[in-house]
Amino acid sequence: LAKTTQPISMDSYEGQEVNITCSHNNIATNDYITWYQQFPSQGPRFIIQGYKTKVTNEVASLFIPADRKSSTLSLPRVSLSDTAVYYCLVGEGRYGGSQGNLIFGKGTKLSVKP
Amino acid sequence: ETGVTQTPRHLVMGMTNKKSLKCEQHLGHNAMYWYKQSAKKPLELMFVYNFKEQTENNSVPSRFSPECPNSSHLFLHLHTLQPEDSALYLCASSQGTSGSVYEQYFGPGTRLTVT
Repeated sequence: LAKTTQPISMDSYEGQEVNITCSHNNIATNDYITWYQQFPSQGPRFIIQGYKTKVTNEVASLFIPADRKSSTLSLPRVSLSDTAVYYCLVGEGRYGGSQGNLIFGKGTKLSVKP
Repeated sequence: ETGVTQTPRHLVMGMTNKKSLKCEQHLGHNAMYWYKQSAKKPLELMFVYNFKEQTENNSVPSRFSPECPNSSHLFLHLHTLQPEDSALYLCASSQGTSGSVYEQYFGPGTRLTVT
């Protein structure tokens, strides 16, 4: 299982673009990169998933360089409601992987200030 | 009702009590999961069910007993818990074998306090 490393916390202001980088140096060929968002006392919410290059949806963009050893979650023009913990997960995108595929790390606590 | 629901939302129980947590998903998924999230700790995967069959037990103590009667319902039976079992218990579901295991949909959780 590819281990991920993220900053423990980040601060931002409303209206700014926020980029959270995740390192996953030993990512495997079959691994996907997935990001979740979690508000206090709630379950995590799927944000975005990608394999390579760039993926964009209505919430965020995910940038993955050619070597796939890192990825960057980009949140455009954050608001106070984007204050949450953001988790980066790396693992096989199909069920049937070895135990331990479904591991959430400590995540990055993003604080958005007015 | 849509998505993943969990009941109760809050539960306080003594160490000698027996209680059950319930999870229901309305998404047509085949895989369901139980997670534990203690204060200031990452989510810990406890159990995985795929098509009602338990496929993973992440070294969880026997005082936690899961039950999956069908693909839409998941229970976690609790007995003789310890204070350190106090946590947020989250249920999730996903497509299972037909889709990405990481696109999981989580319920709101049950906040459990063991006294």
